[in-house]
Amino acid sequence: AQSVTQLDSQVPVFEEAPVELRCNYSSSVSVYLFWYVQYPNQGLQLLLKYLSGSTLVKGINGFEAEFNKSQTSFHLRKPSVHISDTAEYFCAVSYALPGTYKYIFGTGTRLKVLA
Amino acid sequence: EAQVTQNPRYLITVTGKKLTVTCSQNMNHEYMSWYRQDPGLGLRQIYYSMNVEVTDKGDVPEGYKVSRKEKRNFPLILESPSPNQTSLYFCASRDKASGNTIYFGEGSWLTVV
Repeated sequence: AQSVTQLDSQVPVFEEAPVELRCNYSSSVSVYLFWYVQYPNQGLQLLLKYLSGSTLVKGINGFEAEFNKSQTSFHLRKPSVHISDTAEYFCAVSYALPGTYKYIFGTGTRLKVLA
Repeated sequence: EAQVTQNPRYLITVTGKKLTVTCSQNMNHEYMSWYRQDPGLGLRQIYYSMNVEVTDKGDVPEGYKVSRKEKRNFPLILESPSPNQTSLYFCASRDKASGNTIYFGEGSWLTVV
């Protein structure tokens, strides 16, 4: 069965420090991979996505993620975080089933950037 | 501007009083869905619709109904709300052309007392 695991429920980090939010998935079929961000009291918005091609994907606000097929991972990174990056981050996987596409979200990682 | 609009954004209601959360998208997407978000559980899909008049259950459909009479609208109906339906609800539409990128509404905070 397909699944998405975000290993850290909370990640505190000091401002201007680098951060990595981890995401692993399991799937027996080809997948598309996404990261969404949810700022306080807001809906989710797309941060970046991997559909095909280069395994290093760049998104908004200086974030990037690397698709690693052998390790079935799609970790999100930022070299220097700001206070405004404080939010909840969701990893998601989309895969094809006959007649439809299934979407699975991880349980989220709360990033807390400290001054 | 491409958007998913849901209303109301905030609602407190009493057990058993029927309510509807409306959802509308302006991107001509065929696929729409409803999610609920609860602490520690992430996002769970309630219902989805692949097109007009085509709806199906997601992972947590109990206590909810939906309809899809028009492509742009996908209301969520709670016929007899109960306290365990207190949650943050998101409507979403999906763009098949971009690898199934999901566009979310801003969320509806529902409290059932």
